[in-house]
Formats: sequence, C-alpha cells, structure tokens
Amino acid sequence: DQQVKQNSPSLSVQEGRISILNCDYTNSMFDYFLWYKKYPAEGPTFLISISSIKDKNEDGRFTVFLNKSAKHLSLHIVPSQPGDSAVYFCAASNYNTDKLIFGTGTRLQVFP
Amino acid sequence: ETGVTQSPTHLIKTRGQQVTLRCSSQSGHNTVSWYQQALGQGPQFIFQYYREEENGRGNFPPRFSGLQFPNYSSELNVNALELDDSALYLCASSPLTGGGEAFFGQGTRLTVV
Repeated sequence: DQQVKQNSPSLSVQEGRISILNCDYTNSMFDYFLWYKKYPAEGPTFLISISSIKDKNEDGRFTVFLNKSAKHLSLHIVPSQPGDSAVYFCAASNYNTDKLIFGTGTRLQVFP
Repeated sequence: ETGVTQSPTHLIKTRGQQVTLRCSSQSGHNTVSWYQQALGQGPQFIFQYYREEENGRGNFPPRFSGLQFPNYSSELNVNALELDDSALYLCASSPLTGGGEAFFGQGTRLTVV
C-alpha cells in the first residue's frame, strides 16, 4: 500500500524555466509534508516543508503547494538551474511521530 | 555543528551473516531513525529511537534491531542477512519527536552476496 505516490519517475526542464514536481497521498492523518533532494552517493537533503494548516510555503526559488481536499502537493522551482538536477522525494508524516513515509522519487534533469 | 555521520560507507556481506551499521547523530538531536532504501525506491522506515528507547517500528522483521546510546549515537543490527537486504541504509536525526524535518547521513551501501 503506497501511501505517498510520485507518479512521474522523471522530468526534464530547460534552465530558467519552471520545474513542477507532483506528489499524491492517501492517508488523511498526515499533517506534515516535506520535500527532500538527493544527489548520487549522498543522503537526502531537506529542502522545504509545509504543515497541513497552510496551503503554500515559499523559500527562495522553492514553493510547495498543498491541496488537502485533493490530497495533493507540488513543488515548484523557479527558475530552474542545472544544479537542481537530482532525485526529489516527497515525504509525509503525522505530527505525533517522526516516521516519514516517502514516495518513490522523481528524477529532475535541468538542461542548459 | 557536526552533521549526521554513518559508518562504514560501503559493506559487502555473505548471506546468513550479521552486520552492524553505525550512526552519529547531529549535535543536539536526541531522536534517531533508520531507513532502508532499495534501488529505485524511496526510503522505508525501519525504526526510531528516542532517548535510548525504541519509539516506533516499520514493517521489518525482528532480525532488524537497534540501539541508541547515551550520547544519542545509534546502531542498526541485521541478523541472518538475505540477498534482499542489499540496499542503502540511511540514518536520520531530529531534535525532538513530533513533526519537523529529519537530517540524513550519507548512508551505508550494504551488498549481500
């Protein structure tokens, strides 16, 4: 039972354009959502998060949107840069635990 | 402030053997979680330790066990290794239980042959 789904295994975007990565979840008890970026041979690096009481959180070039009714969140990267090329994981948790449920990841490639 | 460090970085073991992986949590963090990431998958939660006690466990058999020490460092032990245990094992620390982001180490790549 995949509670967090990232249906696009890969995404290719031109430098300077917007990258939109999507994530869906099934468990309505999730109340905290996170995005991690992972380079090869490194552990995941925290990028941005959002609490279920919000519908948007912004940090520089990165914005996360949460649609609770649709159980959907998305990560927008504007403008995209070649250094953003990595695997992006969506994760969800319940505030009462620190257990993170991860999606399968989306590989983003930003080309010049 | 030092980050999360894991050792060793790579390991090759034979089926049936036992393995111990180690993790030093980030300074000031008292919660450590372990994850298994198989090829092409997202990390899967194994278990979490808070103040030296197990504080939640994922869907992994009892041959996966752990410890947390008074300095909040942690070990993951796997007995009777199987080929399917080959994966990247990630340790993550966080400052408290209850929400908030976790900070990951670089992982230990375990190969079982």
